[in-house]
Amino acid sequence: AIQLTQSPSSLSASVGDRVTITCRASQGISSALAWYQQKPGKAPKLLIYDVSTLESGVPSRFSGSGSGTDFTLTISSLQPEDFASYYCHQFKSFPRTFGQGTNVEIK
Amino acid sequence: EVQVVESGGGLVQPGGSLRLSCTASEFTFSLFWMTWVRQAPGKGLEWVATLNQDGSAKYYVDSVTGRFTISRDNTKNSLFLQMNTLRVEDTAVYYCTRGGAYSRLWGQGTLVTVSS
Repeated sequence: AIQLTQSPSSLSASVGDRVTITCRASQGISSALAWYQQKPGKAPKLLIYDVSTLESGVPSRFSGSGSGTDFTLTISSLQPEDFASYYCHQFKSFPRTFGQGTNVEIK
Repeated sequence: EVQVVESGGGLVQPGGSLRLSCTASEFTFSLFWMTWVRQAPGKGLEWVATLNQDGSAKYYVDSVTGRFTISRDNTKNSLFLQMNTLRVEDTAVYYCTRGGAYSRLWGQGTLVTVSS
């Protein structure tokens, strides 16, 4: 199975900060990577798919990049509604896998 | 409204069985792969199982292989997860999601608690 390692597992940031979360795959996954946001008690929400394609309705402060095994989710200017958990997800092969998550907290 | 709604969760003893259902609305269910994802309390997301449009291709995470069965009834716009020989570590919120790759449509989840 392809393992996804996210870092950091948690971070504290202030409104307006630039935030970067990384996701490393144990083998190449081409562009088969998505990012989700999850708030407490809610279902995950798709933010980005195919590494860098922004899902409809997602603010442009979110962006994704990377290739091969190393990927990044960037929030250019953190907003109060962005405090949540974030997960990367590979769909290159079965079994599908998720990163362990990154919890973004208020500083 | 385009949505999927899960049902069937509850409390079950270790070794017991439970069948989850997911009912789809306002989209052509038979055209989509479907997936179950779970989340243990306070933990991250875990992919559980996926099947294709006609149910002929099924994929499972190793930890549930041989115990769980994913299926669908396209005439009833419904997805199922039959869970047998349940273990304490199967305790989680189970989400039904549309798609076999990434998922832009998720249900609200149904809680399965395995405990004596």
